[in-house]
Amino acid sequence: QSVLTQPPSASGTPGQTVTISCSGSSSNIGITTVNWYQQLPGTAPKLLIYSYSQRPSGVPDRFSGSKSGTSASLAISGLQSEDEAAYYCASWDDSLNAVVFGGGTKLTVL
Amino acid sequence: EVQLVESGGGLVQPGGSLRLSCAASGFTFSSYEMNWVRQAPGKGLEWVSYINSSGSTVHYADPVKGRFTVSRDNAKKLLYLQMNSLRAEDTAVYYCARAVAGRFGWFDPWGQGTLVTVSS
Repeated sequence: QSVLTQPPSASGTPGQTVTISCSGSSSNIGITTVNWYQQLPGTAPKLLIYSYSQRPSGVPDRFSGSKSGTSASLAISGLQSEDEAAYYCASWDDSLNAVVFGGGTKLTVL
Repeated sequence: EVQLVESGGGLVQPGGSLRLSCAASGFTFSSYEMNWVRQAPGKGLEWVSYINSSGSTVHYADPVKGRFTVSRDNAKKLLYLQMNSLRAEDTAVYYCARAVAGRFGWFDPWGQGTLVTVSS
């Protein structure tokens, strides 16, 4: 059972917008930053969004992040086949004194 | 190019030991905090360990506390994870990742991972 809760799966057709949620608590998302990682099949995770909504260089602006209270969301607009991957949210947890990850959401592009 | 390359994974019997290494290049290794993160087969990501830039401060996830030791050699630009008393549940791909914006920040980049299999 992950500290951060994500839906196990999501799907969309090319061109659509998909949103992935990440639910936490007052000891993690509620008080500190949320980051998102993309893991393409068979590869290592890659930083996708940091500090709630910032994109590293090279990440398309189709990817956006937001936070509200103790939850965060990742939105992917203009869905493309190459977006098919697992997406993980992560945050620092002050009670556990550890970085915690969501269980991951596997995105399928239909 | 900023790069991390892990090595040292393999098959080990329960109760055995293994030392993982992570070679850094393309950045000033001694200035960055580092982490180990693992991923069991078909499962999600789990943070394992943290070490600050000088190696003077370390932290561990509860499942590995007392069994794993993280260390670094800044002169050689190497990060290590000594794993003792290994259990079947330690079977995973182990990634090293650079910490950006400190211990509470984000991980970027990640290495390609090294597979550790604990089995008799």
